[in-house]
Amino acid sequence: EAQVTQNPRYLITVTGKKLTVTCSQNMNHEYMSWYRQDPGLGLRQIYYSMNVEVTDKGDVPEGYKVSRKEKRNFPLILESPSPNQTSLYFCASSFGPLNSPLHFGNGTRLTVT
Amino acid sequence: GQQLNQSPQSMFIQEGEDVSMNCTSSSIFNTWLWYKQDPGEGPVLLIALYKAGELTSNGRLTAQFGITRKDSFLNISASIPSDVGIYFCAGRKSNNDMRFGAGTRLTVKP
Repeated sequence: EAQVTQNPRYLITVTGKKLTVTCSQNMNHEYMSWYRQDPGLGLRQIYYSMNVEVTDKGDVPEGYKVSRKEKRNFPLILESPSPNQTSLYFCASSFGPLNSPLHFGNGTRLTVT
Repeated sequence: GQQLNQSPQSMFIQEGEDVSMNCTSSSIFNTWLWYKQDPGEGPVLLIALYKAGELTSNGRLTAQFGITRKDSFLNISASIPSDVGIYFCAGRKSNNDMRFGAGTRLTVKP
């Protein structure tokens, strides 16, 4: 089944403890992206990647890192999480940057205390 | 960056009624997309629009790409209880910049 898989689905952590949220897609998509969803703000892009070893900042990149060493994986790294990074995170992928709809994972709900 | 202006924020309707929601922006977009998000799930694509003026249907759903390329609407006809959820519009620019609306929360009363 074609899908975007995120792990974990739920994560509670403490301020400053490094964490990684994994994202994997099995559709051979070139483009991958991370979003955070907060009430009343919709989806805001954190980072995106046009292809392997190519990553760029989105609208809200501060406090996050990503890597794209393989086409299928695009992990999101929080080196020192803070409470304002408590949010619902979505990974998404598509074939290419233009005219290709995004396919979303099921989300990771992160709470930083 | 500026997100899209989506309205209404929420709707409470009776089963069988038609629904209309829209997104507007001051920017031009090359692609308009409409997604639905169920609780605890990621957004799922409903309709994709690629040309100004395009009108596309998917079952009871109809969406249009505004002629100015700055807006889009989504209509749902004869609503049913499983239409409940949050509907998001998304616009994609030629430089791959993608923006989302804040969502329309739809409640359908049986």
